[in-house]
Order: sequence, then C-alpha cells, then structure tokens
Amino acid sequence: GAGVSQSPSNKVTEKGKDVELRCDPISGHTALYWYRQRLGQGLEFLIYFQGNSAPDKSGLPSDRFSAERTGESVSTLTIQRTQQEDSAVYLCASSSFGQGGNEKLFFGSGTQLSVL
Amino acid sequence: KQEVTQIPAALSVPEGENLVLNCSFTDSAIYNLQWFRQDPGKGLTSLLLIQSSQREQTSGRLNASLDKSSGRSTLYIAASQPGDSATYLCASPPGAGNNRKLIWGLGTSLAVNP
Repeated sequence: GAGVSQSPSNKVTEKGKDVELRCDPISGHTALYWYRQRLGQGLEFLIYFQGNSAPDKSGLPSDRFSAERTGESVSTLTIQRTQQEDSAVYLCASSSFGQGGNEKLFFGSGTQLSVL
Repeated sequence: KQEVTQIPAALSVPEGENLVLNCSFTDSAIYNLQWFRQDPGKGLTSLLLIQSSQREQTSGRLNASLDKSSGRSTLYIAASQPGDSATYLCASPPGAGNNRKLIWGLGTSLAVNP
C-alpha cells in the first residue's frame, strides 16, 4: 500500500477482554515497530521485528502483551485481559533496512484503545 | 541512559515568524537524532534525521542542527504558516549499540495563528 495502515482506528473494550491490533506496513519494509503513546506521556517502545523475528521485545509491559508478524508483512499486537492502564494510542511504524540504523520511519495513524 | 527533553511544551506565534524548537539529550554519544511532526489522527511524519557525523540537515523551510557537545538539537522553521501547526517531537536511539528503538521527548505543541 501507499503507507502504513493500522486497524481498527478506534477500539473501545471492557476491562478483562482481549484485543487485537493490526498493522500493515509499507510493502517491502523489513523492519516493523510498535510504540505506545499514553495521554500526556512520550512514546514508549514496545517491540520491533526484523522480518518475522523480534530481536527486541524489551518494551512489552507485561506478559499480557504479545505480538507476531507473518510473511514479513502484517503484524498483530495482542493484549490479553485488558486493564484501564492499557488505554493509549498504539502506533506502528515500518522502515526499510537502512545503513547502520539511520533509517527513516513511516508511521501509521494509530489505534486509539480505550479500556472501560 | 538516554533522556530526551523538549522545551517549550507549547508555543504560539503569528504567521510569518521564524521560530526555533529545542531538544536536549543526556548522552552525547548520540547515534542520530530525528525530528517528527504529529498531527491529530494522522500519526507521525518524519521530518529530518541528523546522523552523529552531521551538524545539520535542511528540508525546505526546516533546518535541524545537532550539537553533541552541548547535548542539544534545534529545529528552525522559517516563515511559519498555519499549516505548520502540529506537535513536533524529537527522538534518538539510546546508544550506538541499540539503534533500533527510539527515546522520545514529550513534544512541543506549535500553533501558528493567521
């Protein structure tokens, strides 16, 4: 596609429910990132994929959070047993494998998750 | 541990003014620094990326500088326009050995008034 696509754009769920957030990166981009932005706070790194592998999962807040990527394309971020503190905008970004990490990131519009 | 700070948190200027946004970082062994623009409901757009070996980058009316010794980067916007109204974020990897994730400032919310 022309850009990074995320779905849904908005998700309202009840505490304790599971949610899945989807990211379609730019075609051909090998790196994919998930970030979280809570109200009034800076972006927090969650996880990144190189191809279908996730070399760095250090930002996942708890074992309720998991992510996968298939076909070096679509990625899904799953949050189990959602809590109110999970409410945030979840942003996905992709990039081509740049020189030494000096890569330009392309972001999707995000999924606004509200846990009631 | 790299920390990124942006001042001011908000800025309001009349159209046509030249302005400077500031970004400070704590680790001078910076790998690169990026400036992004965030529009409501539209995600983030990468504006400029300055590598550690560079002093500045320019794109149109935007100029970003990097001073590693003082731990500062500035984003200069010339002849500001109402369409420049957005939140501007700076971000940097935590170190040369871990350049796959970014540490972010909280942003400067810019309003350019007609």
